Amino acid sequence: QKEVEQNSGPLSVPEGAIASLNCTYSDRGSQSFFWYRQYSGKSPELIMFIYSNGDKEDGRFTAQLNKASQYVSLLIRDSQPSDSATYLCAVSQGNNRLAFGKGNQVVVIP
Amino acid sequence: DAGVIQSPRHEVTEMGQEVTLRCKPISGHDYLFWYRQTMMRGLELLIYFNNNVPIDDSGMPEDRFSAKMPNASFSTLKIQPSEPRDSAVYFCASSFGTGGNQPQHFGDGTRLSIL
Repeated sequence: QKEVEQNSGPLSVPEGAIASLNCTYSDRGSQSFFWYRQYSGKSPELIMFIYSNGDKEDGRFTAQLNKASQYVSLLIRDSQPSDSATYLCAVSQGNNRLAFGKGNQVVVIP
Repeated sequence: DAGVIQSPRHEVTEMGQEVTLRCKPISGHDYLFWYRQTMMRGLELLIYFNNNVPIDDSGMPEDRFSAKMPNASFSTLKIQPSEPRDSAVYFCASSFGTGGNQPQHFGDGTRLSIL
C-alpha cells in the first residue's frame, strides 16, 4: 500500500467553480499534513498545512482533515486560471520525513 | 528573504560523467532534504540532514549517489558515474525544527539530463 495516495487523473473545473482534491494516507501516527502547489516546470510551493481534525481556511483555500478516516482534502473556491497546477499532498512520518503523493493536476477552464 | 538556492538550474552531461548538484538552505534552517522527481515515481526523498549530520539515506538509489553537508549553509549531491536513468529534477528543501512537522521550503530544482 502506498503511503500517500491521490487520484492522478486531471481535474477540470470551470472558472469560478469549486475544485475538490482528496488524499488518503496509511500511517495512523501522522500528525502534520501539507498541500503544495506545483506549476509546470517549477518547484513545489507550500499553500496550506493542517494539524488538527476539521477545517482550516486561508483565503480561497480550505483544508479538511479527518484522522479517523485517514484522509485530507483541499477545496479551492472560486477557481481561477492561475490555480491550474499540480497539487501535492504531503504527510508527516514519525522519522522526520514527509511522504508525498504523486499529485493531482487541476485545469481551470476560462 | 532568500529562499533555498540550488545550482545549476540545468545540467546536461554524458553517461559516465560525474555530476555535482549544490544547495544552500534558508539561513537558520536545521533540516535539509534532497528529493528526486520523475513523472513515473513522483517526488522521492533521497536523503536528509539534521544539523549537518545525515540522518536517513535509505532513499539513495545506489552507491553511485552520495551527499554531503560540510556546514550549515551548503550541501552537495553527487552522482558518479551518472546513467541515463538518473535523468530527473532534483530538489533541495529545508525546514526549521522537527523535519516532519514543519513546512519544507523547496529550491527551484536542478533539471538533470544524462545522455
